[in-house]
Parts: sequence; C-alpha cells; structure tokens
Amino acid sequence: NAGVMQNPRHLVRRRGQEARLRCSPMKGHSHVYWYRQLPEEGLKFMVYLQKENIIDESGMPKERFSAEFPKEGPSILRIQQVVRGDSAAYFCASSPKTTGAYEQYFGPGTRLTVT
Amino acid sequence: AQSVTQLDSQVPVFEEAPVELRCNYSSSVSVYLFWYVQYPNQGLQLLLKYLSGSTLVKGINGFEAEFNKSQTSFHLRKPSVHISDTAEYFCAVIGQGTASKLTFGTGTRLQVTL
Repeated sequence: NAGVMQNPRHLVRRRGQEARLRCSPMKGHSHVYWYRQLPEEGLKFMVYLQKENIIDESGMPKERFSAEFPKEGPSILRIQQVVRGDSAAYFCASSPKTTGAYEQYFGPGTRLTVT
Repeated sequence: AQSVTQLDSQVPVFEEAPVELRCNYSSSVSVYLFWYVQYPNQGLQLLLKYLSGSTLVKGINGFEAEFNKSQTSFHLRKPSVHISDTAEYFCAVIGQGTASKLTFGTGTRLQVTL
C-alpha cells in the first residue's frame, strides 16, 4: 500500500514564475490537507480539501495561492508569481473518509526554492 | 482556535538516558493530541495520538505520552534513547469540531550523542 506521494521532491523557480505541487493521497483516502513549513518553524495549515470541494482554506494566503482536488487525479497546490518568501517545504497529508479518523498521513514534502 | 507551545527548541541527551519533551496546548474546545517525528529531509511520521480513554498513550519506537487535562499538557517520554532517535519532534492538536486541521508547535530538536 503506497503512502502519500508528492512530486516533485525539489522545485526551483525564479521570482515571478509559477509553481505546481502535486499530491496523491493514500489509496482509499479522500481527505487532503496542505501544510507549509518555513525554515526553523513548525508546520502551518494551509487548506483542507475533499474530492472537488474546498472545505477549509483559512490558512491560504489571499493572493497567488490556490488548491484543487479534482474527481480524478492528484491534488494540486498552485503558487503564481512566486516570491522569495514562498521558499519553504510544502507537505501534503491525507486521511480516510471514516468519521472520527483524525490521523493524518504525511508525504515526503516538496521543497520549493525561489531564486 | 488552538495553539501549541513547545518550550524547548533543542534537547541534548546522551544515549541510553531518559528524555522528556514538553508540550502544552491552549484551546477553547476539547482537543485530540498527537506527536509526530521528522527525520532530516523527510515527511512527518506519527509517533502516537490521544483521542480518548486512558491518558497514558504508548506509541512506536518505545515512546509514550501522558495527557494531563488540568495542566493542558501532553509531554512525550522515552526511558532510554538511541542515536537513531535524533530528529525533530512536533506536538500537534486538533480541536474537536474544527474540520480536522492540525495545529503544530514549533518543534523540539532531540540530539542524542554517545
């Protein structure tokens, strides 16, 4: 049973470019969460999605950031016009649909570097 | 809203010594509590969790934690650490009824030496 998969593992972008981060949840999981870890800090919640729905985006910056989890395919975190401050590790987690299943399984992360 | 405080940013300890990593939380609602471990350049792995029941929770790799509601704490302990336990440890909470998003502390770097 494959774990949560994220790609790419490392991504380098110049200022002003777009970054697309992909997350494939564990088999049977329909809840996806995105977190950001800035250097020397803990993880901060960004967005919580279920298939075709954004449930909670209270941690997403108001501009340039968007996320989706389509009916088919991986979840995508998209950052437009990246700036140096976007450099961070972005982690995806998934959990099963079962009510009360609070355990989240994390992927290996995508480390974004903006030059 | 919830918040988590990990007062110790770094904890150095000798191999085979006991260790305690402290975690305190604040919340206006009841919470579920978690400890995660992060090895260098890797994702997070769940060590243990408290949802309900016995306040002493045992996890993987010989770790355990005790939920103390009156002190709003969830300290992580291991009676004898190994070099391979060197990693970053994160305490996290989910507020009941808050759509399951984890709120993390800033982490404690456990450094085990010979």
